[in-house]
Order: sequence, then structure tokens, then C-alpha cells
Amino acid sequence: NAGVTQTPKFQVLKTGQSMTLQCAQDMNHNSMYWYRQDPGMGLRLIYYSASEGTTDKGEVPNGYNVSRLNKREFSLRLESAAPSQTSVYFCASSPGTGPFFGQGTRLTVV
Amino acid sequence: GESVGLHLPTLSVQEGDNSIINCAYSNSASDYFIWYKQESGKGPQFIIDIRSNMDKRQGQRVTVLLNKTVKHLSLQIAATQPGDSAVYFCAENNDDYKLSFGAGTTVTVRA
Repeated sequence: NAGVTQTPKFQVLKTGQSMTLQCAQDMNHNSMYWYRQDPGMGLRLIYYSASEGTTDKGEVPNGYNVSRLNKREFSLRLESAAPSQTSVYFCASSPGTGPFFGQGTRLTVV
Repeated sequence: GESVGLHLPTLSVQEGDNSIINCAYSNSASDYFIWYKQESGKGPQFIIDIRSNMDKRQGQRVTVLLNKTVKHLSLQIAATQPGDSAVYFCAENNDDYKLSFGAGTTVTVRA
């Protein structure tokens, strides 16, 4: 049972490049989330999906888009990366209690 | 907006002692709280949760206390071990488990 799996684990982008962060969960959870974590801070919610086909903005959605491809997968896309998007990104899923997190994607935008 | 914060950014504990990590929250309507542990380079790990209709909940070596009167949450770790060294976050449920996190407390266990 892998839980929440994120790919890639590390990525370096040049300003203006685009990329998609992948997330998949095998726990049959309805709700999925994307958070970002900046140094010395707690996590902040970027986007949220309550179920397949639905998405909603969180606290810091600007510069990001998401796709809930199916129940298992929830991807995060950066269309034009900026240095301010350098962060660690965490995907999570919830069975109706506290979310369970993946191991993170460390993204650097230069 | 609402925020969740921890009282102290760092805590140094002797191995074998009990640890107490504190958290203050500001949203009196919050109905669910969680403690997470995050080790270096890893994602947050769920430790224990508590709903607002409870004052105390116990897990394995951990206890969460909720004082709604003063909007305070604490995590107690019994017999702290080296493996307990990590950053601990409290989180508050805003809706549908969209959480607000505090900045975290770094716990260092001294041998």
C-alpha cells in the first residue's frame, strides 16, 4: 500500500517554463489537496478537490492550475514558473478525517 | 483570516522526559484539529486528531488536549525518544479538511 505518491521528487525549472506535478493515491479517498511549504512556515493550501471532476481554490492559487483526472490522480500545473514558486509541494488525500500527505516535490525556479 | 500558531518555535527535551508542545488557534468555530510530525525531507505524518466535542484524546505515547475556552491545543509526548526529533505542526480544519497550519515547533531530543 503506497499511500500518496508524488512525482517527481526534485525539479529545477527556468523562469517561464511549465511543468506538471503528479499525485496519485491508492486509498480510495474522495478528497485530495495540494499544499506548498516555504522555509520556516507551515503548509498553505493551493487547490482542493472534494471528488472526481470538482476543484476549488485554496489560500494561494495564483499561478497554478489543477486537474482531478480520476479518483486516484490529482495533478498540479505551473504554466509559467516564477522564482516565487520555489517551494516544496505536498499532495494529500483525506478519507473524511485528517489528510495523509505524500513525500513532497522540491521545486526550484531559477 | 483565521490563523493557527504555535507558542514556541523550538523545544529541547532530554531523552526519557515528557514533551509538551503548545498551539493557539483563533477560529472559535473550528471543530477539528490535528497534530502532524514532519521529519527532515519528508511529508507531514498524521499523529493524532481531536474533535471539538472532546477535551482529551490519547494515542500511543501521545495525548492531545483541547481547551476551547482559551482556544489552546497541546500535544504531550511521553518518554521522548530520539526518533521524536522533528518539526511538529498543529492544524485546524476550515472546511472539508482544508487545513490551516501553524509555523511549527522544532523538537530536539538530547541524549
